[in-house]
Order: sequence, then structure tokens, then C-alpha cells
Amino acid sequence: QVTLKESGPVLVKPTETLTLTCTVSGFSLSNARMGVSWIRQPPGKALEWLAHIFSNDEKSYSTSLKSRLTISKDTSKSQVVLTMTNMDPVDTATYYCARIRGPVVAADYWGQGTLVTVSS
Amino acid sequence: DIQMTQSPSSLSASVGDRVTITCRASQSISSYLNWYQQKPGKAPKLLIYAASSLQSGVPSRFSGSGSGTDFTLTISSLQPEDFATYYCQQSYSTLSITFGQGTRLEIK
Repeated sequence: QVTLKESGPVLVKPTETLTLTCTVSGFSLSNARMGVSWIRQPPGKALEWLAHIFSNDEKSYSTSLKSRLTISKDTSKSQVVLTMTNMDPVDTATYYCARIRGPVVAADYWGQGTLVTVSS
Repeated sequence: DIQMTQSPSSLSASVGDRVTITCRASQSISSYLNWYQQKPGKAPKLLIYAASSLQSGVPSRFSGSGSGTDFTLTISSLQPEDFATYYCQQSYSTLSITFGQGTRLEIK
């Protein structure tokens, strides 16, 4: 059974750095042509792809947020970590991690999401 | 970035109706197009991948078609559980994956 679970702070202050962890089970982060992505959704708004990382360590980032994002994985811990620097209230959103499979990079399993609020 | 435009933005329909949602890419994306369904307060669910392949466990009333720049998601006979928001997503450019703005399907 494939599961993903996001963890991290529910509240961050403006200018702080957000660190989110996705812990996966039911598959390995070393599985060929599989990976994990981070996707967010501000309240009442559309989905936004943030970043992804594949088993071969290939990484990709949102063009508009690239300078603020870092994605990494620890295969032994079955975890993928996303950091986002210089948080702003507009970054308030539910953050999801999802398993992706190539080459169409379809997100076939999702975590439940974690709401992160940016406020002083 | 490749822009994805869905139409309509919202849609009212009745149980049993045939519904079509369109997604247009700002440039050709071959068949690198996926469709998701999202219900309020829940994570999205993959329905269709590679434009026309039905994800395992998804009812056959859902179908996808298209290639290049124009794609459609069709629900052949709406069921009560199908009222939700639908998103398309392109993965042609893995350097910058993008979603459409969503189509909200409501009960008439």
C-alpha cells in the first residue's frame, strides 16, 4: 500500500524558511522512473507545481519559485524534503507531496496535505 | 512556461448528463497531459494520464482524448460523486510542469 505523509510547521513567520518533509511507504525512492513532487494550493485557488525529484536524483523546480526552493531526498529514510526560503503571506497554502511516475510525470498517489500559514 | 487554459471555468450539469471539459496548451505538448479530480478538502486524484490512458480503479465513464495543444476530458454519464473540480496538467516540459486553472463541475 502506497502512502505519503507531509510534516512540518503549521505556522511560519514572514521571511522565515519553511522545511517540509514527505515520508513515503509502499515504494522505494530508488524505484526506476518514479519520484516525488511537491504541489501547493492556496485557499480557494488552483494547484501549483513546486518541484520534483526522481530516483536518479534528477530535480526540477517551478520557474517562478526556483530561487527559493530546494528539494532533496534521503532514500534510506524514505523521505523527501522541500525547503522554501523567505516565506511571505502569499505562500499560505496547503502543501501536498505526491508520487510521480515517468515519463508523463503523473501524480498517482498523494499525501493528505498540510496547511501552512504565513503570518507574524 | 507552457500555459494551460481550461474551459469552461465552471459548469452546471445534471446526473446522467454527458460532460466535456477542454484544456488547451500554449504550445504543443504531444500527449504529455494528465487529468485530476479534486473534491473539497481532499487531495487530487489522478483520472487520466498520457492524455487518454485511464488510471487503474477509475470508472470507465471517464475518458480523455487529444494531442498537440487541444485536449478533452469527457464524463459519459454524470454520477453524484463526480461533482468536483477538475484540473489538467502538462508534463511535456519537465523543467516547468504546469496545471490548468481548474473547472468546477456543479449540480444543476
